[in-house]
Amino acid sequence: DTAVSQTPKYLVTQMGNDKSIKCEQNLGHDTMYWYKQDSKKFLKIMFSYNNKELIINETVPNRFSPKSPDKAHLNLHINSLELGDSAVYFCASSQRGGSEKLFFGSGTQLSVL
Amino acid sequence: AQSVAQPEDQVNVAEGNPLTVKCTYSVSGNPYLFWYVQYPNRGLQFLLKYITGDNLVKGSYGFEAEFNKSQTSFHLKKPSALVSDSALYFCAVRDRSTDKLIFGTGTRLQVFP
Repeated sequence: DTAVSQTPKYLVTQMGNDKSIKCEQNLGHDTMYWYKQDSKKFLKIMFSYNNKELIINETVPNRFSPKSPDKAHLNLHINSLELGDSAVYFCASSQRGGSEKLFFGSGTQLSVL
Repeated sequence: AQSVAQPEDQVNVAEGNPLTVKCTYSVSGNPYLFWYVQYPNRGLQFLLKYITGDNLVKGSYGFEAEFNKSQTSFHLKKPSALVSDSALYFCAVRDRSTDKLIFGTGTRLQVFP
């Protein structure tokens, strides 16, 4: 069983559309994250949730809205997609605590045309 | 602010030779340091971490890292490189005030047969 799974793996869409990426973890972790990896492979955290509560909200456009229906799921909804949103989006999870490692999903490659 | 720097975009090494991937950190207080590896089209995988204790940390796939407080470094090492070690390697530090995991810019390791 995949520990952290995200869907879809690839997402190709037009500018202005709204899309969602789903993430689920079966590790029983308390904390989930969304990271964005740009074309230069630079990784930046976007959001973090702990037990469905928003903990970290980086300075991302408010077109990006995370939703956590329960602690095993953290979805990312993006409104009015722009060309600059093209990137690979990674979901991750960990137990709460600074020394804990993150488990990553395999990524969603978003291409905005 | 906490940060890590990976000064090399790419490291090339011949199979069987020792490898080193460099990382330096800038933190206030004692650092929580991590190494992750990313294979093509995959999410990041945890390799090892330093929290406290022995300065030499052993991790997955025969990798190890040496924490050096005086040089503020946490270099990743392996005594004998394999072609299959070719991947993108990320150093990371946990910002304990915000609980964010902050990644370096990544170093591409290429192991030649």
